Amino acid sequence: GAGVSQTPSNKVTEKGKYVELRCDPISGHTALYWYRQSLGQGPEFLIYFQGTGAADDSGLPNDRFFAVRPEGSVSTLKIQRTERGDSAVYLCASSQEGDEPLHFGNGTRLTVT
Amino acid sequence: DAKTTQPNSMESNEEEPVHLPCNHSTISGTDYIHWYRQLPSQGPEYVIHGLTSNVNNRMASLAIAEDRKSSTLILHRATLRDAAVYYCILRDVWLYAGNNRKLIWGLGTSLAVNP
Repeated sequence: GAGVSQTPSNKVTEKGKYVELRCDPISGHTALYWYRQSLGQGPEFLIYFQGTGAADDSGLPNDRFFAVRPEGSVSTLKIQRTERGDSAVYLCASSQEGDEPLHFGNGTRLTVT
Repeated sequence: DAKTTQPNSMESNEEEPVHLPCNHSTISGTDYIHWYRQLPSQGPEYVIHGLTSNVNNRMASLAIAEDRKSSTLILHRATLRDAAVYYCILRDVWLYAGNNRKLIWGLGTSLAVNP
Protein backbone atom coordinates (compact mmCIF):
# COMPACT_ATOMS: atom_id res chain seq x y z
CA GLY A 1 0.00 0.00 0.00
CA ALA A 2 0.98 3.65 -0.18
CA GLY A 3 3.38 4.82 2.45
CA VAL A 4 4.18 8.28 3.75
CA SER A 5 4.94 10.62 0.88
CA GLN A 6 7.09 13.73 1.20
CA THR A 7 7.56 16.40 -1.43
CA PRO A 8 9.81 17.70 -2.72
CA SER A 9 12.52 15.11 -2.20
CA ASN A 10 15.15 17.82 -2.55
CA LYS A 11 14.92 21.57 -2.06
CA VAL A 12 17.68 24.09 -2.56
CA THR A 13 16.97 27.63 -1.46
CA GLU A 14 18.84 30.81 -0.75
CA LYS A 15 19.39 32.16 2.71
CA GLY A 16 16.48 34.35 3.76
CA LYS A 17 13.89 32.67 1.55
CA TYR A 18 10.67 30.97 2.65
CA VAL A 19 10.11 27.25 2.07
CA GLU A 20 7.25 24.80 2.48
CA LEU A 21 7.69 21.06 2.87
CA ARG A 22 4.73 18.76 2.37
CA CYS A 23 3.84 15.44 3.98
CA ASP A 24 1.09 13.02 2.92
CA PRO A 25 0.62 10.49 5.72
CA ILE A 26 -0.77 7.00 5.41
CA SER A 27 -4.54 7.16 4.97
CA GLY A 28 -6.34 6.82 8.29
CA HIS A 29 -3.34 7.65 10.45
CA THR A 30 -4.37 10.29 12.94
CA ALA A 31 -0.93 10.97 14.39
CA LEU A 32 1.69 12.85 12.35
CA TYR A 33 5.22 13.79 13.31
CA TRP A 34 7.95 15.98 11.90
CA TYR A 35 11.59 15.23 12.65
CA ARG A 36 14.81 16.81 11.44
CA GLN A 37 18.00 14.88 10.80
CA SER A 38 21.43 16.36 10.33
CA LEU A 39 24.25 14.40 8.74
CA GLY A 40 25.52 11.64 11.02
CA GLN A 41 22.90 12.28 13.69
CA GLY A 42 19.70 10.58 14.73
CA PRO A 43 16.34 12.21 13.99
CA GLU A 44 15.41 15.16 16.20
CA PHE A 45 11.77 15.70 17.15
CA LEU A 46 10.10 18.88 15.93
CA ILE A 47 6.32 18.62 16.29
CA TYR A 48 3.52 16.11 16.73
CA PHE A 49 -0.06 16.41 15.48
CA GLN A 50 -3.03 14.49 16.76
CA GLY A 51 -5.71 15.10 14.14
CA THR A 52 -5.67 18.75 13.15
CA GLY A 53 -4.09 20.10 16.30
CA ALA A 54 -0.45 20.35 17.26
CA ALA A 55 -0.33 18.33 20.47
CA ASP A 56 3.35 19.01 21.07
CA ASP A 57 5.42 21.62 19.23
CA SER A 58 8.18 21.83 21.80
CA GLY A 59 10.81 20.68 19.32
CA LEU A 60 10.41 23.57 16.90
CA PRO A 61 13.72 25.43 17.21
CA ASN A 62 12.33 28.98 16.94
CA ASP A 63 9.43 31.04 15.62
CA ARG A 64 10.70 30.78 12.04
CA PHE A 65 9.35 27.24 12.00
CA PHE A 66 5.64 26.53 11.78
CA ALA A 67 3.56 23.52 10.78
CA VAL A 68 -0.09 23.01 9.93
CA ARG A 69 -2.41 20.13 9.32
CA PRO A 70 -5.73 21.83 8.54
CA GLU A 71 -7.82 18.79 7.60
CA GLY A 72 -6.13 16.19 9.73
CA SER A 73 -4.35 14.57 6.82
CA VAL A 74 -1.71 16.42 4.77
CA SER A 75 0.74 18.52 6.75
CA THR A 76 3.01 21.37 5.69
CA LEU A 77 6.16 22.43 7.51
CA LYS A 78 6.91 26.08 6.84
CA ILE A 79 10.27 27.75 7.41
CA GLN A 80 10.61 31.51 7.15
CA ARG A 81 13.83 33.46 6.56
CA THR A 82 15.83 30.28 6.09
CA GLU A 83 19.36 30.08 7.49
CA ARG A 84 22.26 27.85 6.46
CA GLY A 85 21.88 26.01 9.76
CA ASP A 86 18.41 24.86 8.68
CA SER A 87 20.02 22.56 6.10
CA ALA A 88 19.04 19.01 7.00
CA VAL A 89 16.75 16.17 6.00
CA TYR A 90 13.22 16.81 7.23
CA LEU A 91 11.39 13.58 7.98
CA CYS A 92 7.67 13.06 8.35
CA ALA A 93 6.10 10.04 10.04
CA SER A 94 2.57 8.91 10.77
CA SER A 95 0.96 6.31 13.00
CA GLN A 96 -2.43 5.08 14.04
CA GLU A 97 -3.80 6.57 17.22
CA GLY A 98 -2.15 5.04 20.24
CA ASP A 99 -0.32 2.50 18.12
CA GLU A 100 3.14 1.76 16.92
CA PRO A 101 5.03 1.73 14.73
CA LEU A 102 5.91 5.07 13.23
CA HIS A 103 5.92 4.96 9.43
CA PHE A 104 8.44 7.37 7.98
CA GLY A 105 8.68 8.98 4.58
CA ASN A 106 12.03 9.27 2.82
CA GLY A 107 12.36 12.89 3.80
CA THR A 108 13.00 16.21 2.12
CA ARG A 109 16.64 17.21 1.88
CA LEU A 110 16.76 20.96 2.42
CA THR A 111 19.89 22.84 1.44
CA VAL A 112 20.16 26.53 2.25
CA THR A 113 22.91 28.29 0.31
CA ASP B 1 12.88 8.79 28.63
CA ALA B 2 15.94 6.84 29.67
CA LYS B 3 18.95 6.88 27.38
CA THR B 4 20.52 4.05 25.45
CA THR B 5 24.11 3.25 24.51
CA GLN B 6 25.07 1.45 21.31
CA PRO B 7 28.38 0.75 19.57
CA ASN B 8 29.07 3.22 16.79
CA SER B 9 29.63 0.56 14.17
CA MET B 10 29.66 -3.18 13.58
CA GLU B 11 30.55 -5.42 10.71
CA SER B 12 29.15 -8.74 9.60
CA ASN B 13 29.44 -11.19 6.75
CA GLU B 14 26.54 -12.05 4.50
CA GLU B 15 24.48 -15.08 5.57
CA GLU B 16 25.84 -14.94 9.13
CA PRO B 17 23.86 -13.95 12.24
CA VAL B 18 24.31 -10.46 13.66
CA HIS B 19 23.86 -9.46 17.28
CA LEU B 20 23.42 -5.73 17.83
CA PRO B 21 23.71 -4.76 21.51
CA CYS B 22 22.02 -1.91 23.35
CA ASN B 23 22.60 -0.86 26.95
CA HIS B 24 19.88 0.92 28.89
CA SER B 25 20.90 0.72 32.51
CA THR B 26 18.43 3.40 33.67
CA ILE B 27 15.39 1.81 32.05
CA SER B 28 12.16 2.13 34.01
CA GLY B 29 9.50 -0.50 34.47
CA THR B 30 7.20 1.15 31.93
CA ASP B 31 9.80 1.67 29.18
CA TYR B 32 9.33 -0.34 26.02
CA ILE B 33 12.45 -1.12 23.97
CA HIS B 34 12.04 -0.19 20.31
CA TRP B 35 14.35 -0.79 17.36
CA TYR B 36 14.28 1.09 14.11
CA ARG B 37 16.72 0.96 11.24
CA GLN B 38 17.58 3.46 8.55
CA LEU B 39 18.87 2.40 5.17
CA PRO B 40 20.95 4.89 3.19
CA SER B 41 18.89 7.79 1.81
CA GLN B 42 15.68 6.48 3.36
CA GLY B 43 13.56 7.29 6.38
CA PRO B 44 13.76 5.08 9.47
CA GLU B 45 11.89 1.78 9.40
CA TYR B 46 10.36 0.00 12.38
CA VAL B 47 12.00 -3.32 13.21
CA ILE B 48 10.69 -4.67 16.50
CA HIS B 49 9.79 -3.76 20.06
CA GLY B 50 9.33 -5.49 23.40
CA LEU B 51 8.88 -4.97 27.13
CA THR B 52 10.16 -7.99 29.07
CA SER B 53 9.89 -11.15 27.02
CA ASN B 54 11.92 -11.98 23.96
CA VAL B 55 10.13 -11.14 20.72
CA ASN B 56 10.33 -12.52 17.21
CA ASN B 57 8.98 -11.24 13.93
CA ARG B 58 9.74 -11.72 10.27
CA MET B 59 12.56 -9.19 10.34
CA ALA B 60 14.43 -9.97 13.52
CA SER B 61 14.43 -11.19 17.11
CA LEU B 62 14.76 -9.11 20.24
CA ALA B 63 16.44 -10.65 23.26
CA ILE B 64 15.90 -8.72 26.51
CA ALA B 65 18.10 -9.33 29.54
CA GLU B 66 16.38 -10.52 32.67
CA ASP B 67 17.19 -7.25 34.50
CA ARG B 68 16.14 -5.30 31.37
CA LYS B 69 19.31 -3.21 31.52
CA SER B 70 20.35 -4.40 28.09
CA SER B 71 18.91 -5.94 24.95
CA THR B 72 20.14 -7.43 21.71
CA LEU B 73 18.66 -7.20 18.24
CA ILE B 74 19.35 -10.39 16.33
CA LEU B 75 19.36 -10.62 12.55
CA HIS B 76 19.44 -14.35 11.91
CA ARG B 77 21.03 -14.25 8.46
CA ALA B 78 22.44 -10.92 7.39
CA THR B 79 21.96 -9.83 3.80
CA LEU B 80 23.49 -6.91 1.96
CA ARG B 81 20.12 -5.15 2.29
CA ASP B 82 20.50 -5.18 6.08
CA ALA B 83 23.33 -2.65 5.89
CA ALA B 84 21.86 0.30 7.78
CA VAL B 85 22.00 2.36 10.95
CA TYR B 86 20.15 0.58 13.76
CA TYR B 87 18.59 2.66 16.52
CA CYS B 88 17.60 1.36 19.96
CA ILE B 89 15.04 3.66 21.61
CA LEU B 90 13.17 3.54 24.91
CA ARG B 91 9.57 4.70 25.07
CA ASP B 92 7.66 5.14 28.32
CA VAL B 93 4.22 3.66 27.74
CA TRP B 94 2.54 6.02 30.21
CA LEU B 95 4.12 9.16 28.82
CA TYR B 96 3.30 8.05 25.31
CA ALA B 97 -0.35 7.51 26.18
CA GLY B 98 -0.48 11.23 26.85
CA ASN B 99 1.04 13.69 24.47
CA ASN B 100 4.71 13.00 25.05
CA ARG B 101 5.51 11.49 21.69
CA LYS B 102 9.13 12.62 21.53
CA LEU B 103 11.21 9.61 20.71
CA ILE B 104 14.80 10.37 21.72
CA TRP B 105 17.13 9.02 19.05
CA GLY B 106 20.83 8.45 19.67
CA LEU B 107 23.48 7.92 17.01
CA GLY B 108 22.67 4.25 16.49
CA THR B 109 24.94 1.46 15.25
CA SER B 110 26.07 1.55 11.64
CA LEU B 111 26.05 -2.04 10.40
CA ALA B 112 28.20 -2.99 7.42
CA VAL B 113 27.56 -6.33 5.72
CA ASN B 114 30.35 -7.88 3.69
CA PRO B 115 29.55 -10.08 0.69
